[in-house]
Amino acid sequence: DGGITQSPKYLFRKEGQNVTLSCEQNLNHDAMYWYRQDPGQGLRLIYYSQIVNDFQKGDIAEGYSVSREKKESFPLTVTSAQKNPTAFYLCASSSPGLADEQYFGPGTRLTVT
Amino acid sequence: QKEVEQDPGPLSVPEGAIVSLNCTYSNSAFQYFMWYRQYSRKGPELLMYTYSSGNKEDGRFTAQVDKSSKYISLFIRDSQPSDSATYLCAMSAGYGNKLVFGAGTILRVKS
Repeated sequence: DGGITQSPKYLFRKEGQNVTLSCEQNLNHDAMYWYRQDPGQGLRLIYYSQIVNDFQKGDIAEGYSVSREKKESFPLTVTSAQKNPTAFYLCASSSPGLADEQYFGPGTRLTVT
Repeated sequence: QKEVEQDPGPLSVPEGAIVSLNCTYSNSAFQYFMWYRQYSRKGPELLMYTYSSGNKEDGRFTAQVDKSSKYISLFIRDSQPSDSATYLCAMSAGYGNKLVFGAGTILRVKS
């Protein structure tokens, strides 16, 4: 089955620790995205990548980092510099560019205490 | 002012009702319009995708875009309890521009 997988579904971390969220797609999509969703605020773009080995900051990139070494994979690291990391994180992909419809993974709920 | 405004609801309707969900926007450059459905603690699922103005129908769902009024709508006919979810509108000005989301409307269909 084609789709986007995110793991884990739930993640718990202590404050001050970096954590990496996984996102894999087998849709052969060129572009991949990371969003953060908080109650009442909709989706906010963290980072996006339109091609392997290239990525751009979104609206709220501070405290996050990404890599795009393979077309299928776009991991997101939430660093200790992110002041309010507890949120629902969504990965998406599309082809070929930002104007096209994006398809989402199931999400990872990160809780930092 | 947000680029995309969407009433958060919750909107509560009886089973079988016609549901109208709406978004307004301020950026006249938006040309691509989408509706996503999101069940609790799941990722959003693309429901409808339209380009520019006009209507698009898919089963019980109809999407309308009125660019002159900067207003888009999603109509759900014969609503079912399984339609209970959060509905997100999203729009873009085109290639090279990001997708901008509304905050989502919570819909509850009572049986």
